[in-house]
Amino acid sequence: DADVTQTPRNRITKTGKRIMLECSQTKGHDRMYWYRQDPGLGLRLIYYSFDVKDINKGEISDGYSVSRQAQAKFSLSLESAIPNQTALYFCATSDLYGEEKTQYFGPGTRLLVL
Amino acid sequence: GESVGLHLPTLSVQEGDNSIINCAYSNSASDYFIWYKQESGKGPQFIIDIRSNMDKRQGQRVTVLLNKTVKHLSLQIAATQPGDSAVYFCAETLDPSGYSTLTFGKGTMLLVSP
Repeated sequence: DADVTQTPRNRITKTGKRIMLECSQTKGHDRMYWYRQDPGLGLRLIYYSFDVKDINKGEISDGYSVSRQAQAKFSLSLESAIPNQTALYFCATSDLYGEEKTQYFGPGTRLLVL
Repeated sequence: GESVGLHLPTLSVQEGDNSIINCAYSNSASDYFIWYKQESGKGPQFIIDIRSNMDKRQGQRVTVLLNKTVKHLSLQIAATQPGDSAVYFCAETLDPSGYSTLTFGKGTMLLVSP
């Protein structure tokens, strides 16, 4: 969905490096989310933000941090990457006030930590 | 190819058949349910949703059935096409209008043969 963009789309890094994944949305949604996806485990919530001043830990926040720079931008950082953080990462948005309550996902970032 | 399909339950059907994908959800208090489709290399896409005060909802070629007694959700796809081949996830939430988040199932891979 072009309304939610993620950069980079692919990233290879080394153990111990700090990396940042970025997410931008043009849907005007207040809520933004970061998930990781591993084979056979579905989508697991890392962090979420219901507005610019609100940040909440999800199911698997250890080793990650986030920043909500603006309504449209939500970035995910790995302070010191480790190999078991190799996964697909998805950003999503949802609308607090509208009728439709589904989450809209970006195209994903494939991260490989060596 | 996309590694998200590894170790997933798989449903194989012939083109033109009807497909039924099942999901057992975990929380009897969940109020809102969504089905997502994830094609290889893409983020999950919204298909259809249903609230707990309904037991059936129809979309274009898709029907979602909700059985709250046994905490079961199903997605029926009529006249399945090769383009329907993807991983399908169900998701549940306690309160779509409040401050709860989505919990995703692990997914089912649908393979459609021409």
